[in-house]
This record gives sequence, structure tokens and C-alpha cells, in this order.
Amino acid sequence: NAGVTQTPKFQVLKTGQSMTLQCAQDMNHEYMSWYRQDPGMGLRLIHYSVGAGITDQGEVPNGYNVSRSTTEDFPLRLLSAAPSQTSVYFCASRTEGETQYFGPGTRLLVL
Amino acid sequence: KQEVTQIPAALSVPEGENLVLNCSFTDSAIYNLQWFRQDPGKGLTSLLLIQSSQREQTSGRLNASLDKSSGRSTLYIAASQPGDSATYLCAVFFGNEKLTFGTGTRLTIIP
Repeated sequence: NAGVTQTPKFQVLKTGQSMTLQCAQDMNHEYMSWYRQDPGMGLRLIHYSVGAGITDQGEVPNGYNVSRSTTEDFPLRLLSAAPSQTSVYFCASRTEGETQYFGPGTRLLVL
Repeated sequence: KQEVTQIPAALSVPEGENLVLNCSFTDSAIYNLQWFRQDPGKGLTSLLLIQSSQREQTSGRLNASLDKSSGRSTLYIAASQPGDSATYLCAVFFGNEKLTFGTGTRLTIIP
């Protein structure tokens, strides 16, 4: 199993550009989540999904959209990038009540 | 507000010593608790998962305890090694859907 994979590993955007961060898992997990990690702030939940077709907002959802058309994929869309969205983004997946597995992260720099 | 706190933010100990990392949380009605390790520039690696019905979990030199009544968890590392140097994160599922993280303890093992 590849586990949780994320692409790209690193991205530079200009303010106002849009992009999609990709996340995929091959463990047939029903739960998937997106977090951002900022110095001094810890990891904060952006959006999560409890199954295909079901998504909900986390702690910091503004400026981000998600969809879950398949069990395997959970892309995160930045609609109009802002410097405040410079961060490291982690995708995670799990099955109910069990260990949460994280991807390697995407480092995003918005200029 | 449901919060997770880890104190101290940083800790340095000589190699070979046993050590304890602390985690406190504000709501005793937790679903489960996880300890993670994060190396610089890397993703999160799950160390131990403790279900709400459990008091402790062990994996090799690591032992995690859970006391819901006092809102505390500890991660005990025996016979510390330089390779244990990393940031250790505590995370709590207050419900079944959202994982709340502490800001971590940065551990340095001095050879």
C-alpha cells in the first residue's frame, strides 16, 4: 500500500491564483481530512469528509473548497490564493475509531 | 472550547534518560487520543492510539497513559536515544469526526 499520497510536494503561487492540492489513499478509509500547519499554531482542520459525497467544514475553512467523489480521493481547492494561505498542508485518512494516517505534506508559498 | 495543551514546548535531556511528555485536554468526554511524532520538514507518524476505554498503550520503548477524569495523557519514553529527537504531538478526538491537536513538544536528546 502507498498509504496517503499528496501532490505536489511544493508549490509557489501568486496572490489571486487558484490551484488544487491532490490527496489520495489506497486503504479504503471512509474518513479523510485536510489540515494546515503553521508555526506556533499547530495543526488546524480545514475540511473533512466521512465518506464519498459527504464533506463538512473544520476550524479554518474560509478560502478553501473540497469535494469527495470517490473513496480514494479528496482534493483541496484554493479559490483565490492569499499570502495568509502560505502554510504546510497535510491530508489524512482513517477508518472509524482507528489510527489516523497522514500524507507527507504540501508546502505552499503564496507571494 | 475543546483544547489540547502540551507543556513544555521544548525539552532537552541527556541520552539514556527516561522522560515523560505531557498532554492535557479540556473535555473528559473524548473518543480517543493519539500521539504522533514529526521530524523536521516531514509528515506525522502515528506512535500510539489510546481508545477512551483504555488506560494505556505500549509500543517498544514507548508507553502512553490516559486519565480522562483529570484530562491528562502522558507519553513515557524509556532509555532515550538521539534518534528520538523530534516534535511529539498529542491529538484528541472529542467526537468521532474532528481531531484536535496540541502545539507539540520539541524533544532534543543530547548525545
